[in-house]
Amino acid sequence: AQSVTQLGSHVSVSEGALVLLRCNYSSSVPPYLFWYVQYPNQGLQLLLKYTSAATLVKGINGFEAEFKKSETSFHLTKPSAHMSDAAEYFCAVSAFGNEKLTFGTGTRLTIIP
Amino acid sequence: GAVVSQHPSRVICKSGTSVKIECRSLDFQATTMFWYRQFPKQSLMLMATSNEGSKATYEQGVEKDKFLINHASLTLSTLTVTSAHPEDSSFYICSATTGTDGYTFGSGTRLTVV
Repeated sequence: AQSVTQLGSHVSVSEGALVLLRCNYSSSVPPYLFWYVQYPNQGLQLLLKYTSAATLVKGINGFEAEFKKSETSFHLTKPSAHMSDAAEYFCAVSAFGNEKLTFGTGTRLTIIP
Repeated sequence: GAVVSQHPSRVICKSGTSVKIECRSLDFQATTMFWYRQFPKQSLMLMATSNEGSKATYEQGVEKDKFLINHASLTLSTLTVTSAHPEDSSFYICSATTGTDGYTFGSGTRLTVV
């Protein structure tokens, strides 16, 4: 079985500051890991995904995440926050990349002007 | 890129009526579609997984007679909420996959039952 834990339901950072959203996973098989962003009343947009290739994954909008097997982590980072980054972020895991996705509880990111 | 069109985006219905939500893959054939439910300020909860031409697999606790899922073609899946009640009010999101290219999500449907 797969699961993810997102630490921090709310994160606030100043515009221009580093964004760090935490995600730890548990998986009985090598995991496929994803980060999605959701704006109010919209579906989910893929930011990036880890599929057992490079451990440092670069995504859209300047986001990246590093897969650390020893820490069972897949934290999302962005060097400089922008106001448009304010949204809900979900970490998700699946087995084999085509099985059902299991989502974390989400982290609401607020950007302080 | 892959696009999934979900309609309607918003629907208000009276208690006791049924509502159908459509999810279409526009430029690819979706072998598998997933239906999620999201309560306000909460995460997505998987309701069911459907494969084209076969019966949907429902998650534990999801009433299959209430939430009817049809995946009649490789580009269309529908979720019908039967005899809707106010507690069914929620945000419903579909997702489609080809099995190799990851997941694409629809834009969601806000259902309000009055």
